Amino acid sequence: DAGVIQSPRHEVTEMGQEVTLRCKPISGHNSLFWYRQTMMRGLELLIYFNNNVPIDDSGMPEDRFSAKMPNASFSTLKIQPSEPRDSAVYFCASSLAVPRYGYTFGSGTRLTVV
Amino acid sequence: GQNIDQPTEMTATEGAIVQINCTYQTSGFNGLFWYQQHAGEAPTFLSYNVLDGLEEKGRFSSFLSRSKGYSYLLLKELQMKDSASYLCAAGHYGQNFVFGPGTRLSVLP
Repeated sequence: DAGVIQSPRHEVTEMGQEVTLRCKPISGHNSLFWYRQTMMRGLELLIYFNNNVPIDDSGMPEDRFSAKMPNASFSTLKIQPSEPRDSAVYFCASSLAVPRYGYTFGSGTRLTVV
Repeated sequence: GQNIDQPTEMTATEGAIVQINCTYQTSGFNGLFWYQQHAGEAPTFLSYNVLDGLEEKGRFSSFLSRSKGYSYLLLKELQMKDSASYLCAAGHYGQNFVFGPGTRLSVLP
């Protein structure tokens, strides 16, 4: 199994530009999570999906952030327009319905907005 | 609301035993995770506790007391490769798990 696949690994963009982060969860996992990690705030849950349906997006910081999961094998997190304070590592994670194996995280996307 | 506390940093010697504590207050709870995160890498799953008591997995053990809102991760026979951040997370599995700030463990020779 290739694990959770995120792209790109690194993204540098200018303030005001649109940024799209991509995630392919592990096949068969029915939950998908987007997290953001910074030194100041640690690992924060932004949004999660169960069976492709967004369940809780209360962690999405502003309307500039949006996430979609059009099918079981793909999700995107979009920031439009991006701001320097959005600079962080964004992780995608997926899981089965049973907790025995926990969440599996992707390698993350390191976003820098200049 | 949800609040999770962990010590910020700990130092231990190779071959020793170290205990990393975690206290939590969550609005909904059915389990607690421990994750390991090496610098620049993704968190990796260590353990999941849903019942009170000790769960052992090789050199790593995790303990949970739901009545006290308390957990700890016990690492035995420390190795240099155990130098990493250790994150506890509490909440509802598959839903709103909240991660703590993490404890940075340094293992010295």
